[in-house]
Amino acid sequence: NAGVTQTPKFRILKIGQSMTLQCAQDMNHNYMYWYRQDPGMGLKLIYYSVGAGITDKGEVPNGYNVSRSTTEDFPLRLELAAPSQTSVYFCASSASGVGSEKLFFGSGTQLSVL
Amino acid sequence: QQQVKQSPQSLIVQKGGISIINCAYENTAFDYFPWYQQFPGKGPALLIAIRPDVSEKKEGRFTISFNKSAKQFSLHIMDSQPGDSATYFCAARLTGGGNKLTFGTGTQLKVEL
Repeated sequence: NAGVTQTPKFRILKIGQSMTLQCAQDMNHNYMYWYRQDPGMGLKLIYYSVGAGITDKGEVPNGYNVSRSTTEDFPLRLELAAPSQTSVYFCASSASGVGSEKLFFGSGTQLSVL
Repeated sequence: QQQVKQSPQSLIVQKGGISIINCAYENTAFDYFPWYQQFPGKGPALLIAIRPDVSEKKEGRFTISFNKSAKQFSLHIMDSQPGDSATYFCAARLTGGGNKLTFGTGTQLKVEL
């Protein structure tokens, strides 16, 4: 199984451009998450979803949007990119229910906004 | 109140030594405390986890010690190996939080020969 697949792996954007970070999982997980990782700051939750059609804001949602039209896919949209959005972005998924707390992470997208 | 404080920021240990990473939290509504390991260029991967009704959990060379009254938990890596060199994150989950995790800031561990 592929697990959680993120594309692209690297991207450079100019200020004001927009892009979509793709995330797909093949484990039939209900829960999906987007985190950003900045040096010395740990991982911060941007958005999460508990199922198709249901999304909610995390700790740092400003400047981002998400959608969840299928169980498998959870794209993250950046509108009007800013240098503060330079980061490494990780998508993750998990099953729901007791004993299903393990998060499976993708390999990340390194984004630079110049 | 949702913060998880992690220390140290970096750690150098000799091969065969014990690596210890500490975390502290404030919110008593956290109900699950995992540790994630991350190698360069990779996503974090679950290493070991504990629930607050248990004071210690051991899996191979990795042990979590949990002190509920002090609201602290720590990761101990026994017989540390160069292959353990990675960044380690502690985390905590709010009860009813749908597996959303609050992460510590990470500890970069280097195990030297």
